[in-house]
Amino acid sequence: KAGVTQTPRYLIKTRGQQVTLSCSPISGHRSVSWYQQTPGQGLQFLFEYFSETQRNKGNFPGRFSGRQFSNSRSEMNVSTLELGDSALYLCASRGTSGRTTDTQYFGPGTRLTVL
Amino acid sequence: AQSVTQLGSHVSVSEGALVLLRCNYSSSVPPYLFWYVQYPNQGLQLLLKYTTGATLVKGINGFEAEFKKSETSFHLTKPSAHMSDAAEYFCAVTVAPSYNTDKLIFGTGTRLQVFP
Repeated sequence: KAGVTQTPRYLIKTRGQQVTLSCSPISGHRSVSWYQQTPGQGLQFLFEYFSETQRNKGNFPGRFSGRQFSNSRSEMNVSTLELGDSALYLCASRGTSGRTTDTQYFGPGTRLTVL
Repeated sequence: AQSVTQLGSHVSVSEGALVLLRCNYSSSVPPYLFWYVQYPNQGLQLLLKYTTGATLVKGINGFEAEFKKSETSFHLTKPSAHMSDAAEYFCAVTVAPSYNTDKLIFGTGTRLQVFP
């Protein structure tokens, strides 16, 4: 069974641009969560989607948005990039029920650098 | 609000020595607790988790953790360190208000170094 895949793996953008990151969950998983990892703030929850609906959201500005498609693939968008958005963005998918007790499986992440 | 504190941002041990990584949590409701490991340039991998039931949880690669409610702790241990255990370890707690909506609150991580 293939794991969680994220594309692209590396991305370089300049301030003010926007970026879209993609995540394909494990087959059959309907829950996809996004996290931001930085040296200063650590791992922070961005949002979670389940069956195309956002059902939980972290404390990030509206520049960060996401969506989930009917095949459970998810995209995350960041508009008007700032230097502080440079981070490793991790996607995680959860089992078919999407319950708390289900294990989250993480992808390798997308390393975003904002110049 | 829930939170996780990992004591010690860096831990160094010799190969074959006991590994002990500390994690204390704060939660107003019964917590679900997790330990993840992250190798360089990779995502997170689940080592073990505690939800309910037995408080001593065994995970992969010989790791285990014990949930101690009275001490609000969930320390990770391994009897004998191996060079391949060198990585960053994260403790996490859920903040689920219901069974099907939650987010993981992570600690700041502990980098484990293993010396030959």
